[in-house]
Amino acid sequence: KQEVTQIPAALSVPEGENLVLNCSFTDSAIYNLQWFRQDPGKGLTSLLLIQSSQREQTSGRLNASLDKSSGRSTLYIAASQPGDSATYLCAVRPGDSSYKLIFGSGTRLLVRP
Amino acid sequence: KAGVTQTPRYLIKTRGQQVTLSCSPISGHRSVSWYQQTPGQGLQFLFEYFSETQRNKGNFPGRFSGRQFSNSRSEMNVSTLELGDSALYLCASSFRLAGSYNEQFFGPGTRLTVL
Repeated sequence: KQEVTQIPAALSVPEGENLVLNCSFTDSAIYNLQWFRQDPGKGLTSLLLIQSSQREQTSGRLNASLDKSSGRSTLYIAASQPGDSATYLCAVRPGDSSYKLIFGSGTRLLVRP
Repeated sequence: KAGVTQTPRYLIKTRGQQVTLSCSPISGHRSVSWYQQTPGQGLQFLFEYFSETQRNKGNFPGRFSGRQFSNSRSEMNVSTLELGDSALYLCASSFRLAGSYNEQFFGPGTRLTVL
């Protein structure tokens, strides 16, 4: 059974710092991995999708990597800003016929001015 | 291009009642998935609809059901509401492409409170 874990559960950093969020999954048979951002009480905003054949994806100050064999992904945020404060969730799409996503519990990020 | 829309945004119901939530996917997307988010269980998959057929179902009781219309809009119904059904219900849409590229886009959610 696929399980997704995110560490740390919460993180507080000063503005301008570069930071890394971690995501691990137990079954390497995945189609893709998606990173999302969720603001309090809101829906999910898709940040990056990495296909199983890819090693990394970049969008602006965000860079996500995927090491399928070790069951790990990292989300790197460069030069963090207070507006980056949110909960970051990673989700894997299992390598079966379903199109569901299995989510981690998220990392709650606070960027202090 | 318009995103995924969900109505209503907030609902308050009492135990034993039933509720219907609606989701309109991004134009051109034919797959709609539903998720329940609670502080204790996090985000859990409810079911997915594609071409008006339920394709996948999560581990939820039969009180949770859904349907999809020919225009890809989807509704989710919860009957005989329980206090534990209080949650943020999110729907996601995608093209449902074969292979590994299948980005899912989420709506703002419907906050259901059961009293």
